Amino acid sequence: EAGVVQSPRYKIIEKKQPVAFWCNPISGHNTLYWYRQNLGQGPELLIRYENEEAVDDSQLPKDRFSAERLKGVDSTLKIQPAELGDSAVYLCASRPVPQGTEAFFGQGTRLTVV
Amino acid sequence: SQQGEEDPQALSIQEGENATMNCSYKTSINNLQWYRQNSGRGLVHLILIRSNEREKHSGRLRVTLDTSKKSSSLLITASRAADTASYFCATESAGNQFYFGTGTSLTVIP
Repeated sequence: EAGVVQSPRYKIIEKKQPVAFWCNPISGHNTLYWYRQNLGQGPELLIRYENEEAVDDSQLPKDRFSAERLKGVDSTLKIQPAELGDSAVYLCASRPVPQGTEAFFGQGTRLTVV
Repeated sequence: SQQGEEDPQALSIQEGENATMNCSYKTSINNLQWYRQNSGRGLVHLILIRSNEREKHSGRLRVTLDTSKKSSSLLITASRAADTASYFCATESAGNQFYFGTGTSLTVIP
């Protein structure tokens, strides 16, 4: 069974440019998370989806970040415009139900804003 | 936001020694999980302990949970060089909130 797939693995952009990350969760996993992880820190939750509904986006900086999960499967996270402080690893995770089970993580997308 | 805080931030031990790392959290939880992250990789689930459990074992891993102190510990026995990684606790609470701690960086010296 394929795991959580994220692309691209690496992205370098200039500040003020837009960028998008893509995540394909494990088939059948209704719950999907996007986390941001700064160097030497733990993952910080940006948004959680239950199927196609964003049920927790309180930590998502909505002035520049947006996300969507079409048909409750794949998800994209977008930043527009990117700032230097957005440089981080963006992790996607999924699990079958929202509580009491392990979460499966993708390899992450390392974003560098120059 | 991050619910948990790990202690110590960094730990360096000799191969064969035991490694203990602690996690303290702030609010009531339903369960707590531990994850490992090798450099440049995603997180991998290690073990889950429910709020009504006090101790759990999995291979060389032993996890304890003290809900009265809002803390958990992860013990890795007979450590190996391959155990070198960062370790994170993650708490699950009402409303399905799922937050990670700040992490402990473990180095096992061969």
